[in-house]
Amino acid sequence: GDSVTQMEGPVTLSEEAFLTINCTYTATGYPSLFWYVQYPGEGLQLLLKATKADDKGSNKGFEATYRKETTSFHLEKGSVQVSDSAVYFCALFSGGYNKLIFGAGTRLAVHP
Amino acid sequence: SQTIHQWPATLVQPVGSPLSLECTVEGTSNPNLYWYRQAAGRGLQLLFYSVGIGQISSEVPQNLSASRPQDRQFILSSKKLLLSDSGFYLCAWMNSGANVLTFGAGSRLTVL
Repeated sequence: GDSVTQMEGPVTLSEEAFLTINCTYTATGYPSLFWYVQYPGEGLQLLLKATKADDKGSNKGFEATYRKETTSFHLEKGSVQVSDSAVYFCALFSGGYNKLIFGAGTRLAVHP
Repeated sequence: SQTIHQWPATLVQPVGSPLSLECTVEGTSNPNLYWYRQAAGRGLQLLFYSVGIGQISSEVPQNLSASRPQDRQFILSSKKLLLSDSGFYLCAWMNSGANVLTFGAGSRLTVL
């Protein structure tokens, strides 16, 4: 079945460092791909998405490119801030089943 | 605009007691509705989803049940809670035919 694999955390960075969180997927067809963010004690918020190959989703300085050839959707940010500390979830939309499939989540901690 | 409400936000219950978590969506009709659980330090597990009134799909066998008595209302229940039911429960909705999931703020359940 469809699945999402994310790099394990926690990822600990200093402020202004470069961030990469790896995400790969397994799916039939061409799913839509998402990154969600969860701040402490809150629900999940959509961060960005891409619906077809080579699309780049971007928001709040974060970017991710839909790579069909490597079945990946890695999240990047050039300069992280303390306020970016959160758990990040990669997900794919399994259209045949009307549901989003999530990765295990990656906790990011940014220190001043 | 559409909004999603979950309650209660926090709940502490003894083992063996019943549970009812409620979720309502405003500003849309016939949404797909979802219950996810996030155990401490773990990823998101899809528990139930519904594409219409009275239509419930269960993803994993467990001690919980779900009901959709009205178009925009989704209820998660248990007759007798177990310690392993502790976690953060998230309700979410998606417009039928779309692929973006919007989450509520979550309900934190502690079973003692």
